[in-house]
Amino acid sequence: GNSVTQMEGPVTLSEEAFLTINCTYTATGYPSLFWYVQYPGEGLQLLLKATKADDKGSNKGFEATYRKETTSFHLEKGSVQVSDSAVYFCALRAGGTSYGKLTFGQGTILTVHP
Amino acid sequence: EAGVTQSPTHLIKTRGQQATLRCSPISGHTSVYWYQQALGLGLQFLLWYDEGEERNRGNFPPRFSGRQFPNYSSELNVNALELEDSALYLCASSFGMQYEQYFGPGTRLTVT
Repeated sequence: GNSVTQMEGPVTLSEEAFLTINCTYTATGYPSLFWYVQYPGEGLQLLLKATKADDKGSNKGFEATYRKETTSFHLEKGSVQVSDSAVYFCALRAGGTSYGKLTFGQGTILTVHP
Repeated sequence: EAGVTQSPTHLIKTRGQQATLRCSPISGHTSVYWYQQALGLGLQFLLWYDEGEERNRGNFPPRFSGRQFPNYSSELNVNALELEDSALYLCASSFGMQYEQYFGPGTRLTVT
């Protein structure tokens, strides 16, 4: 079946540090890939997406590249801010019997200190 | 543009009771999805409705059911509540299966 694996957290960084959150996936066919962010007490917000190999999704200084050869979609940001503290989820949407369904990784808690 | 809305924000029920959760999608969206976010279990897909029909279902027992109304809003019903049903239930909507899903703030269900 389809699955998403994220790097274990939590991740703690100082403001302006470089961020990488690793995400790898297993899926049949050619899934679409997403990063969602969940701030405390809120629902999920779509951060960025990529729908085919070598696509780069970007938003608010975050970016991720769809790497089919390594089945990865790592999230990066060059300089994090305290306001980036949240839980980050990597997700995929595949076809077949998984139509419509997002499969999520376990989430990575990011804490950024001033 | 209004986002996905869910009601109630919090719901407290006793084991064995029934819970009804409601979701209104973004205007123009025809697909509604339900997910369960239980502590330690991550986000699990529950149900997908499109144009009033159930299109896909996650690995949950039949006591989890729902429906989609002609105005595309949706209702999730959980019968015979168990303690492990305590979770945040998230609703999402999209223009259709091929489009990105936008999430509401969730309903926190607590079963005592």
